[in-house]
Amino acid sequence: SQQGEEDPQALSIQEGENATMNCSYKTSINNLQWYRQNSGRGLVHLILIRSNEREKHSGRLRVTLDTSKKSSSLLITASRAADTASYFCATVKGNNRLAFGKGNQVVVIP
Amino acid sequence: SQTIHQWPATLVQPVGSPLSLECTVEGTSNPNLYWYRQAAGRGLQLLFYSIGIGQISSEVPQNLSASRPQDRQFILSSKKLLLSDSGFYLCAWSVGGGQYNEQFFGPGTRLTVL
Repeated sequence: SQQGEEDPQALSIQEGENATMNCSYKTSINNLQWYRQNSGRGLVHLILIRSNEREKHSGRLRVTLDTSKKSSSLLITASRAADTASYFCATVKGNNRLAFGKGNQVVVIP
Repeated sequence: SQTIHQWPATLVQPVGSPLSLECTVEGTSNPNLYWYRQAAGRGLQLLFYSIGIGQISSEVPQNLSASRPQDRQFILSSKKLLLSDSGFYLCAWSVGGGQYNEQFFGPGTRLTVL
C-alpha cells in the first residue's frame, strides 16, 4: 500500500484479472483522489472520493474510503494491458496543495 | 477545453548550466499552478505552487526558483544546475479557488544533468 514512508509497491497480474491497490494517509481529509501515470507521461486524474463517501464507481474502477482506518483502495476490474501504469493516491494538504503517495506500479500481462 | 503545455520534452544539460522550463495553460483563467519533480520510480515532490501572478510559494529549499510572469505561464529556473536536479518535472494546474483541488498535469520534461 502507499503511504508517506513506504517504497512504491508493484503488482503483476494477468489480463482479465482484478487489480487492487491500497493507500493510507495520516491526517483528516476533505477528499482523496486517485491518479494514473503511464510511463514517462503526466498524471491523469481518475476519480475523487469525498470524506463523507464510502464507495465510488467509475467504469471499471471502484474506490473505497475508510476514514476510521485512514485508508483507501482502488480496484480495477477485468484489467487490460492498457491499464499498465503507476497509480497514485493524493490527499488535500491545504492551501490548494495535494500530497501524493509513492505510487503502486501495476503491470497487466496480455 | 483546457490544455496544458510543457517544453522542452527532454533536456540534457551540463552541471553548472542554467535552466528554464516553461509551462502554459490554455482555456482557463486564474488557475493555481504547480511544479513537481519525480525521481525515477518514485512519487511526486511538490516544488512550487502559485495562486496568482507573482505569487510563488516554495515547498522545499533547493537550487531552483519559479516565476509566474503571466496568469497562465509558470516558469521553473535555475542559475546553476546540480547533478541532483536530474528528474522528471511536471507542471499541473487546478481551478483557482476550487474546492476539490483536482489537478491536471502536463506531459512533463525529462531533465538529465551530466
